[in-house]
Order: sequence, then C-alpha cells, then structure tokens
Amino acid sequence: DGGITQSPKYLFRKEGQNVTLSCEQNLNHDAMYWYRQDPGQGLRLIYYSQIVNDFQKGDIAEGYSVSREKKESFPLTVTSAQKNPTAFYLCASNPGQYKAGYTFGSGTRLTVV
Amino acid sequence: GESVGLHLPTLSVQEGDNSIINCAYSNSASDYFIWYKQESGKGPQFIIDIRSNMDKRQGQRVTVLLNKTVKHLSLQIAATQPGDSAVYFCAENAPGAEAAGNKLTFGGGTRVLVKP
Repeated sequence: DGGITQSPKYLFRKEGQNVTLSCEQNLNHDAMYWYRQDPGQGLRLIYYSQIVNDFQKGDIAEGYSVSREKKESFPLTVTSAQKNPTAFYLCASNPGQYKAGYTFGSGTRLTVV
Repeated sequence: GESVGLHLPTLSVQEGDNSIINCAYSNSASDYFIWYKQESGKGPQFIIDIRSNMDKRQGQRVTVLLNKTVKHLSLQIAATQPGDSAVYFCAENAPGAEAAGNKLTFGGGTRVLVKP
C-alpha cells in the first residue's frame, strides 16, 4: 500500500545534538512538507519542497534544515540552534496539485533529555 | 498516547448522539476545504473535502457544510461512536497556493470526547 513512513516514532535528543527525522513516501508525490505540532498550537509549517533539489522555508524554519535529494525522501534535521525542539513532528505529501490535500505520516515525537 | 493539544476546545458528546464541529476560516478567497481527524499519537487522516462551488457534501456518517458568507465550515458526525474520539482539524486552500507549494492553512483543532 502507498503511504508515508516516518521514523523513528520516538526520538530523544541531548542538549547540543543534531538529530535527523526520516520521511519516506511511495506515493510518487512531488511535494513534501514538515510540520511541527505543539499542544494547543495546531500545525506549523517548518519547510516544504515542491520538487527534487528544491525546498522553501515555512513559518518556523529557524533551527531546522532539510534536503530533497530524492523524490521519495525528505529528511528533517533538528539542529542545536533549535532551542525548544520538544514537539510532535509530522511529514506530509501532496501530488503537487491544487485542491488535492495532504497525506500525512504517523509522526515522530522528539524529546530533549 | 500522545497528546496533540492540551488546550484545545473540547466537544463532549454522548455515544449515539450527533456531533457538530465548527471552524472559522481566514481567507475569503479560499475555495477548497478539508477536514482531518487526528487520533492520539498518530498523524492526521483525511475525512472529507468540499469545494467552494458546493454548500454541502456528505460522506459515510459525516457531512460538511460550507457557508462562504460568514467564512464558516462545519463537520457533522452522525451517531457518534467511541472511535470518533480524536482531534479534528479544518484546512483551507486558496488560489495562488500552487506558487507556494499548495500549502494548506490549518485551523487550531477541536477535541471530541465520546462518552459511553
């Protein structure tokens, strides 16, 4: 079945460490997105990519980095510059069409220890 | 399970009753709307969508109503079941979004709790 796979489901980061969250899709979707979800704040866009080797900052990109070397993969790195990284991170994809909506992954819960 | 919103508006519903979840959207130019359901610790799942040339659309046990005059969207769930307990988000898409990655704008969400 086609879908989006995020891994790991739970991730723990020490202060000052960079960590990378994986997102893989086999839907042949052109566009991919990373969102951060905090209690009571809904979904906030971190980065998005419309095509391979291209990506754009979202509303809260500071302290994060991404790459899009392959169509099916869009990893997110949470750097040590992100001072409050504890959150639930969601990856999504879209076929690159307007009025098509998103398919979401199951999320990664990142906790700073 | 993961809590996705400790301070979200909450709708408490008796099992078997109908639920109505409301959403005020922001952009009067938006012409495509989606409702998502998010269970604890999981990613959002598509429930139903509606385009602005419609006022109402029905799915299985769900109905979405769109009032463009007051920029209001609602999701009605018939005969609410325990499995309907989740956080529900509305999302909107506006013309011109193609140039910005087809970005959806999400509402803050409503938690639905179904009482047995």
